Amino acid sequence: GAVVSQHPSRVICKSGTSVKIECRSLDFQATTMFWYRQFPKQSLMLMATSNEGSKATYEQGVEKDKFLINHASLTLSTLTVTSAHPEDSSFYICSASLTSGYTDTQYFGPGTRLTVL
Amino acid sequence: AQSVTQLDSHVSVSEGTPVLLRCNYSSSYSPSLFWYVQHPNKGLQLLLKYTSAATLVKGINGFEAEFKKSETSFHLTKPSAHMSDAAEYFCVVSSSGGYQKVTFGTGTKLQVIP
Repeated sequence: GAVVSQHPSRVICKSGTSVKIECRSLDFQATTMFWYRQFPKQSLMLMATSNEGSKATYEQGVEKDKFLINHASLTLSTLTVTSAHPEDSSFYICSASLTSGYTDTQYFGPGTRLTVL
Repeated sequence: AQSVTQLDSHVSVSEGTPVLLRCNYSSSYSPSLFWYVQHPNKGLQLLLKYTSAATLVKGINGFEAEFKKSETSFHLTKPSAHMSDAAEYFCVVSSSGGYQKVTFGTGTKLQVIP
């Protein structure tokens, strides 16, 4: 149980275009979903937290207009990287938890490798 | 405030020998602690978690960790390393004092030598 999927697993796009990444909880309803970014050989950096039906909470330094997050249902959250640039190339990982508290276990998706040319 | 320190960025062991990955934490509240494993270009898989129940926690794939409050530690161990254990391991802390964020350690890369 507690499976989280991400789509696509890998995407290559041209500079200036927008890319949407989907995160789905397959066998449970996720009250809260998290979006992380991971640079090569580094730990995960939390970008934002989203609760179903409300606006996402962004971490300091993360541009909310560039990284649009929509948590439309209890099983789906999307991250849209708008007007992508090469510096946005990274590994993006989502996670989902059963409750709205941070102390609950987070179940991670397999990640999406974004390459911006 | 909370923090987590993984004392070793790289650990190398021979196949069949014990594994010890060290993690120390600080937290103002009663923490929940997790260990995750990440294989190359993959997401994170939960190995085990501590949430104020038994201090010795058993996880998947033969891993276990012991919560030691007096030492503020949550070290990950396995009696006998397998080649498939080679991966990156992350120690994670989150606190119950309201909406405390989860904090990731910087990771320990485990190398298993045949």
